[in-house]
Amino acid sequence: GAGVSQTPSNKVTEKGKYVELRCDPISGHTALYWYRQSLGQGPEFLIYFQGTGAADDSGLPNDRFFAVRPEGSVSTLKIQRTERGDSAVYLCASSPTGGSSPLHFGNGTRLTVT
Amino acid sequence: RKEVEQDPGPFNVPEGATVAFNCTYSNSASQSFFWYRQDCRKEPKLLMSVYSSGNEDGRFTAQLNRASQYISLLIRDSKLSDSATYLCVVNFKAAGNKLTFGGGTRVLVKP
Repeated sequence: GAGVSQTPSNKVTEKGKYVELRCDPISGHTALYWYRQSLGQGPEFLIYFQGTGAADDSGLPNDRFFAVRPEGSVSTLKIQRTERGDSAVYLCASSPTGGSSPLHFGNGTRLTVT
Repeated sequence: RKEVEQDPGPFNVPEGATVAFNCTYSNSASQSFFWYRQDCRKEPKLLMSVYSSGNEDGRFTAQLNRASQYISLLIRDSKLSDSATYLCVVNFKAAGNKLTFGGGTRVLVKP
């Protein structure tokens, strides 16, 4: 079956612009996670959804970052007024129930802010 | 102190040798533990879960030491294809289902 799909795979934007990153999880997975990863580092937790609600958004670095999952499936990560420091690979993962069930990652969106 | 810490390496390992490395975690209430593998410019993939009594999957052995708050991964008879970054993942009970990654340990297996 289809895995986790993330679009776009690459995004180049100018400093100050707004971007949206999309994640389409595995069908039926209730848990959805967003991470970001910089070169040479492990994935950094951003936000976790259980169904439609954000169960934990403690990893969002500031109020420029926002994520939604209105119907409990597709999620969109939104970044306002992008900064060069936002450049990273943004990874989305889903799992059947969250917690101890394995994460299935998408291929990521490589965001470059110039 | 980071919640989950790993030696970044790289661990340079001769083909056929054994390599082991640890991951320490700061929260004693941690509930679930995993090892993920990440190849260069690829997404992380689950290697194995770590159970309290320790567990083995082929050439890979994972162990948990709750008293000292670390987990370990041992790779026997290393293959060239084992070259990757190994990420430790911890689910902190107090943080709900938030899964926290370590920075990864890079392993390079050489002929």
